Amino acid sequence: DMKVTQMPRYLIKRMGENVLLECGQDMSHETMYWYRQDPGLGLQLIYISYDVDSNSEGDIPKGYRVSRKKREHFSLILDSAKTNQTSVYFCASSFGDQDTQYFGPGTRLLVL
Amino acid sequence: GDQVEQSPSALSLHEGTGSALRCNFTTTMRAVQWFQQNSRGSLINLFYLASGTKENGRLKSTFNSKESYSTLHIRDAQLEDSGTYFCAATYGNEKITFGAGTKLTIKP
Repeated sequence: DMKVTQMPRYLIKRMGENVLLECGQDMSHETMYWYRQDPGLGLQLIYISYDVDSNSEGDIPKGYRVSRKKREHFSLILDSAKTNQTSVYFCASSFGDQDTQYFGPGTRLLVL
Repeated sequence: GDQVEQSPSALSLHEGTGSALRCNFTTTMRAVQWFQQNSRGSLINLFYLASGTKENGRLKSTFNSKESYSTLHIRDAQLEDSGTYFCAATYGNEKITFGAGTKLTIKP
């Protein structure tokens, strides 16, 4: 059963705190993605990872960094969270960057 | 993103009817993917197209890369089709950009 998981599903943090969002997939997909979704803006790509330790900035990487030490895990890190990073974050994976993307359930992050 | 214009922004249909959603692109896209985001917020893959037309049940999608658009047709709409539909297109160096979405409401 193909699955992308995200943890946590809901998170409340104060401005300036560090945030770690985790994503896992059980499909041995090479490519993984982090997006944020905001009303009226659709989904915006933050980072893309082509494989372990092979990461590339997306359209809105500022304020974020990522880590991919194992093919099945892709982490999104916010060092010193800002209120404008309040959003819903989606992780996705695909076999290659030209293939169908499978999405996780999303993480709702509130930064106070 | 600016490269993808999705229309309409909202659409209301009665059960059993149909309509089309559209994405216009301002640059040459290599592929397009359509998603449904349901009421729980989950994103469900519908189609991935590098060209041509695909059909799945009551849904059909076309991608015309020459004329820079893609459509998603829904026929015989059901209540569970309600949600927000997004197109996402791949261009340039594997950049991916999403449309702003179409909020579809199916009425009994």
